[in-house]
Amino acid sequence: QLQLQESGPGLVKPSETLSLTCTVSGGSISSGSYYWGWIRQPPGKGLEWIGSIYYSGTAYYNPSLNSRVTISVDTSKNQFYLNLSSVTAADTAVFYCAKNRYGSGFDSWGQGTLVTVSS
Amino acid sequence: QSVLTQPPSASGTPGQRVTISCSGSSSTIGSDTVNWYQQLPGTAPKLLIYNNNQRPSGVPDRFSGSKSGTSASLAISGLQSDDEADYFCAAWDDSLDDPLYVFGTGTKVTVL
Repeated sequence: QLQLQESGPGLVKPSETLSLTCTVSGGSISSGSYYWGWIRQPPGKGLEWIGSIYYSGTAYYNPSLNSRVTISVDTSKNQFYLNLSSVTAADTAVFYCAKNRYGSGFDSWGQGTLVTVSS
Repeated sequence: QSVLTQPPSASGTPGQRVTISCSGSSSTIGSDTVNWYQQLPGTAPKLLIYNNNQRPSGVPDRFSGSKSGTSASLAISGLQSDDEADYFCAAWDDSLDDPLYVFGTGTKVTVL
């Protein structure tokens, strides 16, 4: 059973870069069957897709965050990463990592990690 | 940035049937398949329906999805107290050169 787990700081200062790691276990991130994505949810609000990456490194981003987001992958560690720069309080959210087959829904999710942007 | 519109709330008594609508556009629901997610309080979303009407293994057949034109709907029959959750529709947006995944605004289902 493939599992995903987010990790990273729970508190980030305004204007700094938010960095999170998603560790994949129970399967290989290089299998080629899936894309690996990040989704966020501000407290009490809805879901927003941040972006997704293929094991080859090809990444797609939400245009609303495009200039601030970088998603990368390390197949040797079976991990992928999220960097979100120049954060503000509006970026406070629970961040989820998840996987999906191309063109389909996200069928497996991490438990999520709350990141608060505050000085 | 949601481009899929859902009613904010829906409710029913145990055993009733509840339907949630999801309105999109020609570049989202009109040109691609719809997925539905269930988010129980304090937990991560769970894929409930994919490809408009397919249920992943383990999802009860009380949950069903349908699509017509630029709209979709999720039906919950035989409503149970465990179904009290937030439900989100989602689809890929084909209007740009790169893939863009959009979620609905979400519907909170209350079991009375």
